Amino acid sequence: KQEVTQIPAALSVPEGENLVLNCSFTDSAIYNLQWFRQDPGKGLTSLLLIQSSQREQTSGRLNASLDKSSGRSTLYIAASQPGDSATYLCAVLPDSGGYQKVTFGTGTKLQVIP
Amino acid sequence: EAQVTQNPRYLITVTGKKLTVTCSQNMNHEYMSWYRQDPGLGLRQIYYSMNVEVTDKGDVPEGYKVSRKEKRNFPLILESPSPNQTSLYFCASSKLAGTGLVGLFFGSGTQLSVL
Repeated sequence: KQEVTQIPAALSVPEGENLVLNCSFTDSAIYNLQWFRQDPGKGLTSLLLIQSSQREQTSGRLNASLDKSSGRSTLYIAASQPGDSATYLCAVLPDSGGYQKVTFGTGTKLQVIP
Repeated sequence: EAQVTQNPRYLITVTGKKLTVTCSQNMNHEYMSWYRQDPGLGLRQIYYSMNVEVTDKGDVPEGYKVSRKEKRNFPLILESPSPNQTSLYFCASSKLAGTGLVGLFFGSGTQLSVL
């Protein structure tokens, strides 16, 4: 059974700092890995999708990397801003044909202090 | 605009009164799924569907039913809701490619309270 862990569970940083969020998974048979952002009481907004054949993906100040062999993905946020405050979730999309159980990490709650 | 639409956004009901939460997508996605989100437990998959008339259990299917009679719709049915089903529910869809999902699109969520 796939298990996904996100460390740290919570993070508080001053504005302008660069930061790294971690996502670890136990089963390397993944198809894609997707990072989401969730504001309190709101839905999930997709940030980045990394295909299993890729090593990293970039969008603006965000960069996500994927290392299947070690079971890790990292989300790098450059020059953090108060508007980045949210919970960040990673989701492992399996490479399993007809069996498509998606597993989420429990998230990292980020607070960026002005 | 590509979207996943869930209704209602908020729902308060009483124990045992059957309810349906609707989910519809306009992207012709083969895959649709339901999740519940609870504090400290994260997002857990309830049911998923690979295509019309094809559904399968996720991690927490007890107390829920689904059906996929049309490609665009995937309703979640609670035939006899109980207070432990109070939660935030999300529907998501994705295109299938080869042996995996291309990427999930989420609805805005349904906050359900069962009294």
